Amino acid sequence: QVKLVESGGGLVKPGGSLRLSCVGSGFTFSDHYMTWIRQAPGKGLQCVSFISDTGRFANYADSVTGRFTISRDNAKSSLHLQMTNLRVEDTGLYYCARVLSGYDQIDYWGLGTLVTVSS
Amino acid sequence: SYEVTQPFSVSVALGQTATITCEGNDIGSKDVQWYQQKPGQAPVLVIYRGSMRPAGVSGRFSGSNSGNTATLTISRVGAGDEADYYCQLWDTNMAVFGGGTKLTVL
Repeated sequence: QVKLVESGGGLVKPGGSLRLSCVGSGFTFSDHYMTWIRQAPGKGLQCVSFISDTGRFANYADSVTGRFTISRDNAKSSLHLQMTNLRVEDTGLYYCARVLSGYDQIDYWGLGTLVTVSS
Repeated sequence: SYEVTQPFSVSVALGQTATITCEGNDIGSKDVQWYQQKPGQAPVLVIYRGSMRPAGVSGRFSGSNSGNTATLTISRVGAGDEADYYCQLWDTNMAVFGGGTKLTVL
């Protein structure tokens, strides 16, 4: 069955960095676009970044552009999010999620990894 | 950037029909997805491409999309349907989510 497992979250001070990872199993990872979606405590969902199946194309929410970098390693079925210059407002649960095909439904989600930015 | 608006909350009596809307400019021309999120859990896809239901999702869930409004309808609502519901579409190569609607079953 399809499984997505995130890791790398934690407590970091403002201005610090974190690298999130997600490993996919149960499907052909290289066939799918992938995305990172975050949810601040008690708030809604926000797509922070998106990457094409080959990794050639990526996009970012305005609030993270220039600070976050998404990447993938299809050989290892893994997705990453390098986060730098973190802000308090980046605090939240970060979900790794699979897009069925192209710009289609987000059909599988991981359980999320918690990022807390606080001094 | 494209914006979509959902009501903050909807209440419905047990066994009745719940309707949750998602409004956006000409949203009827876009494919809209709906996700259900229960407390402490990851979101789950319940409707895709406006009205399609993934395998395993109850037939009580249905969707429509026309003009400036997409709608999620849940018939014969049960206590297990109490959750947050989010609409989602793609715009300028990014997933856009509505703010979410909290469904309360009375």
